[in-house]
Amino acid sequence: NAGVMQNPRHLVRRRGQEARLRCSPMKGHSHVYWYRQLPEEGLKFMVYLQKENIIDESGMPKERFSAEFPKEGPSILRIQQVVRGDSAAYFCASSPNLGAAQQEQFFGPGTRLTVL
Amino acid sequence: GDSVTQMEGPVTLSEEAFLTINCTYTATGYPSLFWYVQYPGEGLQLLLKATKADDKGSNKGFEATYRKETTSFHLEKGSVQVSDSAVYFCALSESGGSYIPTFGRGTSLIVHP
Repeated sequence: NAGVMQNPRHLVRRRGQEARLRCSPMKGHSHVYWYRQLPEEGLKFMVYLQKENIIDESGMPKERFSAEFPKEGPSILRIQQVVRGDSAAYFCASSPNLGAAQQEQFFGPGTRLTVL
Repeated sequence: GDSVTQMEGPVTLSEEAFLTINCTYTATGYPSLFWYVQYPGEGLQLLLKATKADDKGSNKGFEATYRKETTSFHLEKGSVQVSDSAVYFCALSESGGSYIPTFGRGTSLIVHP
């Protein structure tokens, strides 16, 4: 049973370009979470999605960032017009069901974005 | 709102030393508590969890006890190995809400041979 998959693992963009990060949750998981991790900082929640729905995007910047989790295919985190401050590791996590606070999250290996 | 406070790192130990990483939390309800570990270049993975007061989570020699009276969930291991070198995150998840976990900042552990 494959774990959470993220690609690419490393992404280099120049300022002003777009970055697209992909996440395929574990089989049978319908809930996806995106986090950002900056050096020497903790994990910051960005957005929580269910298939075709954004449940909570309170941690996501209002401009340039968007996320989707279509009925078919992976979840996508899109960053438009990237700036140097967007350089970070972006992690995706999935879980199997809602209504279970004791449910752990399963993390992907992350995408390390570098903006030149 | 909810919060998790971990001791600052890095924690540097010699192999076979005793490990404690402190974690305290604030929560409005009765959260579940977790420790995750992140090895270099990888994502987080669950190390152990506890879902109610006085529960003890354990895995790979690590232990943590859910202490409601002190709102703590300290991570301990009796004898660390070089392979335990990683970043450790304490986290909580509230019931009755959206179940988005709150993570601490992480504590880096470095174990020398």
